[in-house]
Order: sequence, then structure tokens, then C-alpha cells
Amino acid sequence: EAGVAQSPRYKIIEKRQSVAFWCNPISGHATLYWYQQILGQGPKLLIQFQNNGVVDDSQLPKDRFSAERLKGVDSTLKIQPAKLEDSAVYLCASSFSDGPSDEQFFGPGTRLTVL
Amino acid sequence: QQQVKQSPQSLIVQKGGISIINCAYENTAFDYFPWYQQFPGKGPALLIAIRPDVSEKKEGRFTISFNKSAKQFSLHIMDSQPGDSATYFCAARRGNNDMRFGAGTRLTVKP
Repeated sequence: EAGVAQSPRYKIIEKRQSVAFWCNPISGHATLYWYQQILGQGPKLLIQFQNNGVVDDSQLPKDRFSAERLKGVDSTLKIQPAKLEDSAVYLCASSFSDGPSDEQFFGPGTRLTVL
Repeated sequence: QQQVKQSPQSLIVQKGGISIINCAYENTAFDYFPWYQQFPGKGPALLIAIRPDVSEKKEGRFTISFNKSAKQFSLHIMDSQPGDSATYFCAARRGNNDMRFGAGTRLTVKP
């Protein structure tokens, strides 16, 4: 079974530029999550989708971050414009459903460096 | 933001020893407590998880101990091996809402 795919793996941009990340979840997984993992910290949830609807985006900085999951499969996360403090690994995860003990499977992440 | 406190930040253990990582939470509504293992360049992977209606869960060399009254839980790795060297994260979740992660513990097992 293929895992969660993410691209690109690495991205370096200047501050105030825009960047987009792509995630392809495990086939059949209805729930998709985007996390931000700053160096030395645990992942922090940015947004949770159930199929193509947003379940929780309370911690998403909506003035600069946006995400979509068209057709309830792939998802993109965009940052526009980027700030220095956005430097982090952006992890995508998926689970079969959004039950509390449904295992979340994580992708390898995209490491973003903002200069 | 931080509702789960994890310690120690780093841990060095000899091969064959016991590794112990501790976590404490604040929100008594949390009802699912997983531990994740993360290797460099990889995403976290679920290691073992527990619900608050049990005090201990064991899977192979990995054991979670859970103390509901103290709002604490810990991961014990028995017979630690160099291949266990990774960063470990505890987490807590309420219902189907967002999971709160601890800050992580970098474990090094020396041969």
C-alpha cells in the first residue's frame, strides 16, 4: 500500500514570496491533515479536511495560509506571502475517517526555508 | 497552545537499557493518547496508543503507563536497541478534534 505522498521535499524561498505544497493521501482515506512542525517542536495542526470539507482550521493563519482539497483527494497548502517564521517542515497526514483512534499516516514532509 | 508537556528533551541510553519518556497533559477531555516515532527526514509514525480507561498497554518492547488522576503518561522502551534511536512524540486528542503533540524527546541508544 502506497503511503502519503508529498512534494516538493524541499523548498527555499525569499520572504514575501509565495509557495505551494502538494499532498496525495492514502487511497480511500477520507480525512486529511496539514501540520506545521517547527524545528525542535512537535507537529501543530493547521487544517483538517473530511472529504472536501474543512473540519478544523482554527490554527491556520488565514491572512497568509490557504488550503484546499478539491474532489476530496489531493490537497494543496499555500503560503502567500511567506515570513521568516514560516520556516518549518509541513507534514501531510491522512486517516480512513476522523474517529479519535483512527491512525493518522504521515507523509515525509516538505522542508520550507524562508530567507 | 502547548497542552502536552514532554520530558526529557533528550535521552541517552545504553543498549539493553530501559528508556523512559514522560508526558503530562492539562485538558481532562483528552481521550486518546498516542506515541509517535520519527526518524530524520521521515514523518512521524504511530508506535503505540492508549485510552484512559486502562492504566497500561504493552506491545512488544514498548509499554505505555497511564495515570489518569495525575494526568500523566509515559513510554517505556525495554531492551533499548540502537535502531530505536529516533525522536519520540507523545500526543493527546479529544474526540475527533485536533491532536496536541509534545515537544519531542530525542533518544540515542549507544551500542
